[in-house]
Amino acid sequence: KQEVTQIPAALSVPEGENLVLNCSFTDSAIYNLQWFRQDPGKGLTSLLLIQSSQREQTSGRLNASLDKSSGRSTLYIAASQPGDSATYLCAVTEGAQKLVFGQGTRLTINP
Amino acid sequence: DTAVSQTPKYLVTQMGNDKSIKCEQNLGHDTMYWYKQDSKKFLKIMFSYNNKELIINETVPNRFSPKSPDKAHLNLHINSLELGDSAVYFCASSQDRGVLAKNIQYFGAGTRLSVL
Repeated sequence: KQEVTQIPAALSVPEGENLVLNCSFTDSAIYNLQWFRQDPGKGLTSLLLIQSSQREQTSGRLNASLDKSSGRSTLYIAASQPGDSATYLCAVTEGAQKLVFGQGTRLTINP
Repeated sequence: DTAVSQTPKYLVTQMGNDKSIKCEQNLGHDTMYWYKQDSKKFLKIMFSYNNKELIINETVPNRFSPKSPDKAHLNLHINSLELGDSAVYFCASSQDRGVLAKNIQYFGAGTRLSVL
């Protein structure tokens, strides 16, 4: 059974710092790995999707890496801003497009 | 235009009642999903439908019954509500054609259900 773990559960950093969020998964038989952002009272927004054959994806200040053999992914956020404060969720896609989520990292960027 | 819309946004009800949550997507996607996010913020899939056909049915009490009248709609009906059903329920959709590894799921804003 697939299990997805995110570390740390919460993170607070000053504005402008670079930071890394970690995600690990137990079964490497995945189609892709996605990073989502969840704001309070709102739905999830997909930030980056890395296909199982890829190693990384970049979007603006965000860079996500995937090491499928070791079951790990990282989300790197450069030059953090207060608007980046949210909960970040990692999810892997299994057969029939089933997403298995981690519990998320609650990120706070302090001005 | 909201891509995936859920109604209602909030639902407060008594134990034992029956309630429904509606979901509609205007993205032309083939597959729709229901997820439950519990008090510990853990998101878990409940059901998925592809072109009105049930594809995923996780271990969910049979008090929960999804209904898909057409591929743009997936409603969730819950009978005999219990305290433990209190959670945020999210609807999502995706386009499942071509390379499945590229398919992003788009989420609604969620329905916060409180059972008293």
